[in-house]
Amino acid sequence: AQSVTQLGSHVSVSEGALVLLRCNYSSSVPPYLFWYVQYPNQGLQLLLKYTSAATLVKGINGFEAEFKKSETSFHLTKPSAHMSDAAEYFCAVSDKGRNQGGKLIFGQGTELSVKP
Amino acid sequence: GAVVSQHPSRVICKSGTSVKIECRSLDFQATTMFWYRQFPKQSLMLMATSNEGSKATYEQGVEKDKFLINHASLTLSTLTVTSAHPEDSSFYICSATKRSGAAYEQYFGPGTRLTVT
Repeated sequence: AQSVTQLGSHVSVSEGALVLLRCNYSSSVPPYLFWYVQYPNQGLQLLLKYTSAATLVKGINGFEAEFKKSETSFHLTKPSAHMSDAAEYFCAVSDKGRNQGGKLIFGQGTELSVKP
Repeated sequence: GAVVSQHPSRVICKSGTSVKIECRSLDFQATTMFWYRQFPKQSLMLMATSNEGSKATYEQGVEKDKFLINHASLTLSTLTVTSAHPEDSSFYICSATKRSGAAYEQYFGPGTRLTVT
C-alpha cells in the first residue's frame, strides 16, 4: 500500500529565506511522486513530479525536489521564498506506481506562510 | 496543454434538493476521472474513480446512492449530490487522467464550492 506523510502542517518563513517542505512516502512499488500547490478556493496545480528519470526534479516557480530512496523522502525546496509562494502544498504518491494512471494518495498538506 | 474545467464554480442549494457538478477535459480525452472532496484546511479525500462507459468505483464510506457519478464520454464526468444536506457542504474537485508518453498525469479542475442551506 502507498502512503504519504508531510511533516509540519504549517511552515512559516521570511521572504527571501529557504523553503523546505518535508514529505516521506511509503510504497510497495517504484513510486510516482508529485508536489501540488493550492491557492485559496482553487484547484491543485502541479509543481513537479518524479518519474524516475532524475532524482533531482525541477519544477515551476523555482521549486525543486529530490527523490531519496534510502530515506523514502521527496522534500520540496526553494532557495528564496516569495510572498506569492504563500499557499497550501500537497505531496502525493500514485497508488499504482509509475505508468499505471492510478489514483493519487495525498499527504495532509502543509500551509506555507511567507513573512515580509 | 491539459485543461480541466468544472461547472459551476459555486453553488448554493436548499436542503433536500439535488445538485449536479460537471467536470470536463477541454483539450484531451480522459479515460479516467477522479472526484475528490475537501473540507476547510484539510487534504483531498478521494470519493470515487470514474471510468468512461462503466460504473464508478467508490471509496469506502462514500454513499454511491447519494453521490451519483456518470462518465458518459471521454471528456465529461458528472457528480450529482442527491438530497443534499448541510453536511454535504464542501469543496469538490475533479481530476482527469491524461496519458503522457508511457506515463499518466492527473490534471485538476478548479473546484466547485457547494453550500447547502
